[in-house]
Amino acid sequence: AAGVIQSPRHLIKEKRETATLKCYPIPRHDTVYWYQQGPGQDPQFLISFYEKMQSDKGSIPDRFSAQQFSDYHSELNMSSLELGDSALYFCASSSAEAEVADTQYFGPGTRLTVL
Amino acid sequence: AQKVTQAQTEISVVEKEDVTLDCVYETRDTTYYLFWYKQPPSGELVFLIRRNSFDEQNEISGRYSWNFQKSTSSFNFTITASQVVDSAVYFCALRGMLGQGGKLIFGQGTELSVKP
Repeated sequence: AAGVIQSPRHLIKEKRETATLKCYPIPRHDTVYWYQQGPGQDPQFLISFYEKMQSDKGSIPDRFSAQQFSDYHSELNMSSLELGDSALYFCASSSAEAEVADTQYFGPGTRLTVL
Repeated sequence: AQKVTQAQTEISVVEKEDVTLDCVYETRDTTYYLFWYKQPPSGELVFLIRRNSFDEQNEISGRYSWNFQKSTSSFNFTITASQVVDSAVYFCALRGMLGQGGKLIFGQGTELSVKP
């Protein structure tokens, strides 16, 4: 079965640079979520989109922005990167119509390292 | 406010032992979902189970079983006859049904180490 795809899987950036993370949800899933997981931490919700509209916002820094496109893929844009942004970034997708409704299936994550 | 507590930070067992991972949650919602996810050393988050708040029936799937008790706000996870491949961090998570946009609130995770 198709899973959530995230790219790139690994990213190394310098402080103050920008980064773009991409997420391709499971086909026919209409909701996308972004989470940030620091080392030894639990995943923290950043932002979500339902049918291309922002549906909820968590502890996302103003330096970050995200959107969902017409093909349902989503991008997380991160600017003025700081050392503390080093983390594993997960994208998840869900659908109220899926076999296990409203369950978030996670991608493999993008590991961002800021030097 | 919603909160999930996994009091056990680390558990170490020997293969074939049974082990129970505890999860206690807080929510004011009358309808909600509870989840368990597994995060192996490779880092991905793997969905294990979802439970509706109105369904207190316990569930068994192979060596895995879950005990949901609304009266004590607990959703515990038992692995029977543990195996080395069960070594991972296990997260319990809560999703409210109203007004939260569907985000998951995770517990701190329990790192399970199964030794041969």
